[in-house]
Amino acid sequence: AQTVTQSQPEMSVQEAETVTLSCTYDTSESDYYLFWYKQPPSRQMILVIRQEAYKQQNATENRFSVNFQKAAKSFSLKISDSQLGDAAMYFCAYRRTGANSKLTFGKGITLSVRP
Amino acid sequence: DAGITQSPRHKVTETGTPVTLRCHQTENHRYMYWYRQDPGHGLRLIHYSYGVKDTDKGEVSDGYSVSRSKTEDFLLTLESATSSQTSVYFCAISDQTTRGIYEQYFGPGTRLTVT
Repeated sequence: AQTVTQSQPEMSVQEAETVTLSCTYDTSESDYYLFWYKQPPSRQMILVIRQEAYKQQNATENRFSVNFQKAAKSFSLKISDSQLGDAAMYFCAYRRTGANSKLTFGKGITLSVRP
Repeated sequence: DAGITQSPRHKVTETGTPVTLRCHQTENHRYMYWYRQDPGHGLRLIHYSYGVKDTDKGEVSDGYSVSRSKTEDFLLTLESATSSQTSVYFCAISDQTTRGIYEQYFGPGTRLTVT
């Protein structure tokens, strides 16, 4: 069974600084997808970024980028130029390929941004 | 916006009463999911559907049933609510992007309290 581990329950970052959120996972599959979701206080789950396992290039979406280390089964999220609106809970998630594959989530990390 | 609504958004009910949560989508997505979110657990899959009248169990399905009589609606029923089912419930759909990746998009969530 696949598992996703987020070992840091909380992190804090100064506004305009950079922060990295860690995630590790376990799978026997060679092809899969990894995602980071953001959950602000509104409770809405927002897809931030995705990574295809077959791609060596790390995904980037504006201020958000990932460091995907397939051999180490590590998938960290880097937030650059942190903004107050980045304060939220962040979830790492894994999904096998296929239309109906379910998401397996980590427990989440609460990120606070200091003004 | 994946066109997903959930109703009710908040509900308080008593132990032993039946409860039905509704997920409605407007874009004819085939795959739909119900998750629950609890502190320290992330999101966990309850049930999912891969078409009208086609459903299957997730990892935490005990005490829950689902039905999907038409594409747009996916209902989650707690036959006899217990305090352990106090949680936030999310509905999700799976949609294929232009890059061929299936991604899940979430509804706004329903906060259920069982007293």
